[in-house]
Amino acid sequence: SAVISQKPSRDICQRGTSLTIQCQVDSQVTMMFWYRQQPGQSLTLIATANQGSEATYESGFVIDKFPISRPNLTFSTLTVSNMSPEDSSIYLCSVSGTNEDTTDTQYFGPGTRLTVL
Amino acid sequence: DQQVKQNSPSLSVQEGRISILNCDYTNSMFDYFLWYKKYPAEGPTFLISISSIKDKNEDGRFTVFLNKSAKHLSLHIVPSQPGDSAVYFCAASEEGGKLIFGQGTELSVKP
Repeated sequence: SAVISQKPSRDICQRGTSLTIQCQVDSQVTMMFWYRQQPGQSLTLIATANQGSEATYESGFVIDKFPISRPNLTFSTLTVSNMSPEDSSIYLCSVSGTNEDTTDTQYFGPGTRLTVL
Repeated sequence: DQQVKQNSPSLSVQEGRISILNCDYTNSMFDYFLWYKKYPAEGPTFLISISSIKDKNEDGRFTVFLNKSAKHLSLHIVPSQPGDSAVYFCAASEEGGKLIFGQGTELSVKP
């Protein structure tokens, strides 16, 4: 399956600052997604990153707080803006529609562990 | 409102025995179901999936069963191995690819 990398793998940030997380795939994919896993919780979809257009956000998530870019078929960024301690989570990107698997199966990156003080 | 539920937060099994992880869903529009395994500090790893047109899918030690009338799916691991110890998430998808995850079940396989 596609190899997915995320940068940074972890970070500790001060409240009020912003952090941009990068997701890089080693081959072109159809779909890219961003998820959040808060401590002790399940995975929750933040948004679908659309290539060349604005991301599609899920209920409870807004573009001003989580701006997303997807300039091409292998790369996306998620920014967590004006952070508060409640944003401390693992942020995960996932992809589907790879060369090897054209189903809706999503493959996940290793995640970015964010702690906001 | 939890559309995908894993009611057992944890499960302990002896090595070599069968592990059965359960998952219930409420949305009859879900048409694709997946199981993921997650170790701490790693992203979820895809294990096995099943389409709503099937009732069973098998891949090595892993078998997923789907009972659409009961809106229930289960993952069987046999024989269980200590390396299977992890958190298992079931997920459901409707057309468009969005995944809804359950809360996860922590499996512990004891030697």
